[in-house]
Formats: sequence, C-alpha cells, structure tokens
Amino acid sequence: EAGVAQSPRYKIIEKRQSVAFWCNPISGHATLYWYQQILGQGPKLLIQFQNNGVVDDSQLPKDRFSAERLKGVDSTLKIQPAKLEDSAVYLCASSYTPGSHEQYFGPGTRLTVT
Amino acid sequence: GDSVTQMEGPVTLSEEAFLTINCTYTATGYPSLFWYVQYPGEGLQLLLKATKADDKGSNKGFEATYRKETTSFHLEKGSVQVSDSAVYFCALTDSSNTGKLIFGQGTTLQVKP
Repeated sequence: EAGVAQSPRYKIIEKRQSVAFWCNPISGHATLYWYQQILGQGPKLLIQFQNNGVVDDSQLPKDRFSAERLKGVDSTLKIQPAKLEDSAVYLCASSYTPGSHEQYFGPGTRLTVT
Repeated sequence: GDSVTQMEGPVTLSEEAFLTINCTYTATGYPSLFWYVQYPGEGLQLLLKATKADDKGSNKGFEATYRKETTSFHLEKGSVQVSDSAVYFCALTDSSNTGKLIFGQGTTLQVKP
C-alpha cells in the first residue's frame, strides 16, 4: 500500500512570495489533515477535510493560507504572501474516517522563508 | 483547551539502558492517547495507542499505560537500542471527536553504543 505522498520535499522562498504544497493521501482515506510543525514544537493542525468538505480550519491563518481538496482525493495548501514565521515543516496526514485512531503521515515539506 | 506536556529533551542513554519519557495531559472528556515517533529524515509514525483508562499500548518493546487518575501516559522501554534514536511525540485526540490530534512538543532520544 502506497503511503501519503507530498511534494515538494523542500522549498526556499523570500518573504511576500507565494508557495503551494501538494498532498496525495492513501487511497480510500476520506479524511485529510494539514499540520504545521515549527522547529522544536509538535505538529499543529491547520485544516481537516472530510472528503472535499472542511471539518476544522479554526487554526488556519485565513488571511494568507488557503487549502482545497476539490475532488475529495489530493489536496493543495497555499501560502500567499509568506512571512518569516511561516518557516516550518508542513505535514499531510490521512485516515480512513475521522474517528479512526490512526493517522498516516507523509514525509512533509520543509519550507524556509528568507 | 486540551493540551499535552512532555519532558524536555534531549534524553541521552547508553545502549540497553531503561527509558522513560514522561507525558501528562489536560483534556475534557475521555481522549485517546498516542505516542508517535519520527526517525531522522522520515515522517511521523504511530508507535502505540490507548483508547481508555488503564489500557496499555505496546509495540516494538515500548509500552505506555493510560492513567486517568494522574492524567499521564509515560513511554517506557526496558532496553533501548541505537536504532531507537528519534524524536518521540505524545498526542491525544481532542474533545471535538473529529480525530484532530494535539501533540506535545516532542522529546529527542539519543542512544549511544
């Protein structure tokens, strides 16, 4: 079974530029999560999708971050414009259902904003 | 709101030493508790879980027991190996029952031969 795929693995941009990250969850997993992991901290949920609907985006900075999962499969997270404090690893995870006790994580995208 | 607190790292041990990584939590309701591990250069992997009080999760020689009375979920292993060197995260599912995970800050374990 293929795992959660993410790209790119690394990205360096200047502040005020825009960037997009892509995630393809495990086949059949209805629930998709985006987490932000700042160096030295645990991951923090940004947004959760159930199929193509948003379940929780309470911690997404909506003035600059956006995410979509149009066909209920893969997802894109965008930052526009980026700030220095957005430097972090962006993790995508998926699970079969929201109540499933196991989330499967991708390798992450490491973003550096200079 | 719900939160998880882990012991500060890094934890440095010699091979075959006993490991304890402390984790305490604050939560409304009855969360499920997890330990995730992140090996160098890899993504987060579920190590073990417990879904109700007094449950013991175990995997790869690691154990943790869900203690409701002390709101704790400490990770233990009797004899660590160099290959156990990684970052360990304690986490819980929050009270909204959406599956959202709340993580501790992580504890780095370094095992020396």
